Amino acid sequence: KAGVTQTPRYLIKTRGQQVTLSCSPISGHRSVSWYQQTPGQGLQFLFEYFSETQRNKGNFPGRFSGRQFSNSRSEMNVSTLELGDSALYLCASSLGQHTDTQYFGPGTRLTVL
Amino acid sequence: ELKVEQNPLFLSMQEGKNYTIYCNYSTTSDRLYWYRQDPGKSLESLFVLLSNGAVKQEGRLMASLDTKARLSTLHITAAVHDLSATYFCAVVSGGGADGLTFGKGTHLIIQP
Repeated sequence: KAGVTQTPRYLIKTRGQQVTLSCSPISGHRSVSWYQQTPGQGLQFLFEYFSETQRNKGNFPGRFSGRQFSNSRSEMNVSTLELGDSALYLCASSLGQHTDTQYFGPGTRLTVL
Repeated sequence: ELKVEQNPLFLSMQEGKNYTIYCNYSTTSDRLYWYRQDPGKSLESLFVLLSNGAVKQEGRLMASLDTKARLSTLHITAAVHDLSATYFCAVVSGGGADGLTFGKGTHLIIQP
C-alpha cells in the first residue's frame, strides 16, 4: 500500500507570496492533518480535515488555510508569506478516529527569502 | 493546555549501553505515541500505547505507559548505531481537538 505523499518536496518563495502544498493520504484514510516543524517551536498542529470539512484547528493565523477534496487529498495554503513560515510542513493521514495512528508523509521543505 | 515534556533533549551514548528517554504530559491522555525521525526524513510510527501499564517492545526498543503518573518511557537496550535518530513522544487528548501534541524530541547519537 502506498504511503502518504506530499508535493512539492522543496519550495523557495519570497516574502509576501503565497504557496500551496499538496498531500495525498494512504488509500482508505479519510483524515488528513497538517503540522509545521521548525527548530525553535518543534512540531505544531495546524489543522485536520475529515470528509472535506475542517474538524480541528491549531493556533495559527488565518493566513494558513486548507481544504480537502472528495478523494481525501488535501491542500494547504499559506498567504502573505513571512520569513518565520520557513519550515518543514508535514501531513499525516489516518482512518478518521482521533485515536487512530497518524502516518506521516515525507514533508515539504518551505524556505521563505 | 496540554504540555508534553521529554528528557533528555540530547543524548550521546556508546553502543552496547542501555538508556531511557522520559515523556511527561500534563493532562489526561487518550493515547500516547512514539515516533522516530531520521535527519531530513519524515516521522515513523514506533509504538502506540493505549492504557495504564501498557508495554510494547520491538527489537531493542521498549515503551511503557503509566497514566497515573502521566509518564511514558522509551527504553533502549544494548544500543546500536542504527538507532541514532530523534525520538518524539506525542499525545492525543480531549477528543483530538488539538491533533497530536508533541514533545520537543530527544536527539539520540549512538557512537560505534
